[in-house]
Amino acid sequence: GAVVSQHPSWVICKSGTSVKIECRSLDFQATTMFWYRQFPKQSLMLMATSNEGSKATYEQGVEKDKFLINHASLTLSTLTVTSAHPEDSSFYICSARDEDREGTGELFFGEGSRLTVL
Amino acid sequence: GQNIDQPTEMTATEGAIVQINCTYQTSGFNGLFWYQQHAGEAPTFLSYNVLDGLEEKGRFSSFLSRSKGYSYLLLKELQMKDSASYLCAVMDSNYQLIWGAGTKLIIKP
Repeated sequence: GAVVSQHPSWVICKSGTSVKIECRSLDFQATTMFWYRQFPKQSLMLMATSNEGSKATYEQGVEKDKFLINHASLTLSTLTVTSAHPEDSSFYICSARDEDREGTGELFFGEGSRLTVL
Repeated sequence: GQNIDQPTEMTATEGAIVQINCTYQTSGFNGLFWYQQHAGEAPTFLSYNVLDGLEEKGRFSSFLSRSKGYSYLLLKELQMKDSASYLCAVMDSNYQLIWGAGTKLIIKP
């Protein structure tokens, strides 16, 4: 199946710093990638839809100036958490759909990035 | 509004069978997905149903009834490694995935 790689897996940072998380589709092209946040014992919450070559679409309640998304190529999307605070500590997951297999609708997920803000 | 309902937690015995139900109300329907998620890991794909009926894949089967807005995931011959959360998600008319809160499945020896 298609592979999505996410980096870093774990990151600990001080309050006020910025953290960048990368999401790569390794063996397929993805014009659209999705960024989720998951708090402990809760389901995935879609934060934004990342569109290659254009601005991301953010879900209601998600601050676009705080969570910067860049999708500069067909295989890479980045999420930057700016001026991180302890309440931003969470599990961040990206996913992508294989455009060539779009009929299945299957989403492929990255490994996730656990962010801890001290 | 759009809504996905599934039980919060279920417990089953190793070797047994368990059925996890999911009911949904969404604006349009373009398929229903089941994902497995172990604690601290990303979800992995289990099944996709877009037509009514049962899809079998090894020990796991998924059933869909579009008229009832209902699906279930059936797990047979349960193993300890099946302890995980099982997420039901529906793709709506805009091809957006609507996620359920997940069902935590606890397997006991």
